[in-house]
Amino acid sequence: SSDLTQPASVSVAPGQTARITCSGHALSQQYTYWYQQKSGQAPVLMIYKDTERASGIPERFSGSSSGTTATLTITGVQAEDEADYYCQIADSRGPHFYVFGTGTQFTVL
Amino acid sequence: EVQLVQSGAEVKKPGESLKISCKASGYIFTNSFIVWVRQMPGKGLEWMGRIDPHTSYTNYSPSFEGHVTISVDKSITTAYLQWSSLKASDTALYFCARPGTTASLIDAFDLWGQGTMLTVSS
Repeated sequence: SSDLTQPASVSVAPGQTARITCSGHALSQQYTYWYQQKSGQAPVLMIYKDTERASGIPERFSGSSSGTTATLTITGVQAEDEADYYCQIADSRGPHFYVFGTGTQFTVL
Repeated sequence: EVQLVQSGAEVKKPGESLKISCKASGYIFTNSFIVWVRQMPGKGLEWMGRIDPHTSYTNYSPSFEGHVTISVDKSITTAYLQWSSLKASDTALYFCARPGTTASLIDAFDLWGQGTMLTVSS
């Protein structure tokens, strides 16, 4: 199965570290990509190939992956980081060539 | 400037047809697929399908195959998403996006349109 599961919501105080997970069997064999989507806007690519920051993305955003779980970490959370976050994979073996995670609503307390 | 610009918001009635567009500029249009992504109100992102602008080859998510048609006119660097008979459940925000143009980014969407809001209501 290519299903990707994320926590529905994560909340963290400013300056703290936030971790958003993405779980799915396919993650053990595919790279994970992460997007940030602010209200009413198009998604923005944050992390590609599990760990690489996309162009212009602040260093406080990082990615990691182990087994069937990928993690987006925000170190030193800022108010502007409040958004929805989605993981994504490409799985040419499955019926859905691209699969998005269920999405996490991230709130800065 | 490298960008995807989508057509404006639409309000339609059930049973009507519709074609929305995604105009690409600033890069070689035929070098990258274009994908369409649906976001229903308050919900997550769903991949609908993709098209190769060079060959017009398409493949669709099983969730959308038979209900929408993706096409392209490479002479005007524009991709389209089309419905022949809309339903209320098609109400959503629709994005076009482009996978990256380097090997590292080929499976990631590094360029997005601004979205087209479709409302289907009687």
